[in-house]
Amino acid sequence: RKEVEQDPGPFNVPEGATVAFNCTYSNSASQSFFWYRQDCRKEPKLLMSVYSSGNEDGRFTAQLNRASQYISLLIRDSKLSDSATYLCVVNNYSNDYKLSFGAGTTVTVRA
Amino acid sequence: DAGITQSPRYKITETGRQVTLMCHQTWSHSYMFWYRQDLGHGLRLIYYSAAADITDKGEVPDGYVVSRSKTENFPLTLESATRSQTSVYFCASRGGFAETQYFGPGTRLLVL
Repeated sequence: RKEVEQDPGPFNVPEGATVAFNCTYSNSASQSFFWYRQDCRKEPKLLMSVYSSGNEDGRFTAQLNRASQYISLLIRDSKLSDSATYLCVVNNYSNDYKLSFGAGTTVTVRA
Repeated sequence: DAGITQSPRYKITETGRQVTLMCHQTWSHSYMFWYRQDLGHGLRLIYYSAAADITDKGEVPDGYVVSRSKTENFPLTLESATRSQTSVYFCASRGGFAETQYFGPGTRLLVL
């Protein structure tokens, strides 16, 4: 079983729509969680960290459910520029701060 | 502020040849990482380094060699390239106890 699993999508949504997707992680000892964004096979860039109580960054909302071992990302009022692949990332401190990456969820926002 | 750079950005080589991918960071970050990314897979860790002269294997180290004589450089060598090593290779770094990893622009390697 992969350590981090994501629905690959693609999620095709119109501008202004809300889109949400999850990722699941297998290691219950995982401590830190992140969403990275990757454009067209360019380098991944940190979008936001995910905190236990949930957190927002502008139009982006991240949630963590430790009991069910999943995290989610919700994008409100989608923009064309939100089209990208979103990588779910988990840090298990017992692995010397190594990150485990999901394969990504592709979002395409259409005009 | 150059950040983290990789060279070459694109490389075509033949099976059996030795190839070295370079990674250079200007932040003096202690940790550096090499990943490969293939369709259908997440980023997979090849090797990482906690400091100069300290390296360790990641998830998929076979066929690769690393060294780190200076904090700022972390080259990755494919000793005898195989077609299965065709991939996009990303170098990353992070500082100390910080969790955020910063990635280089990637090297696209094609092994014929």
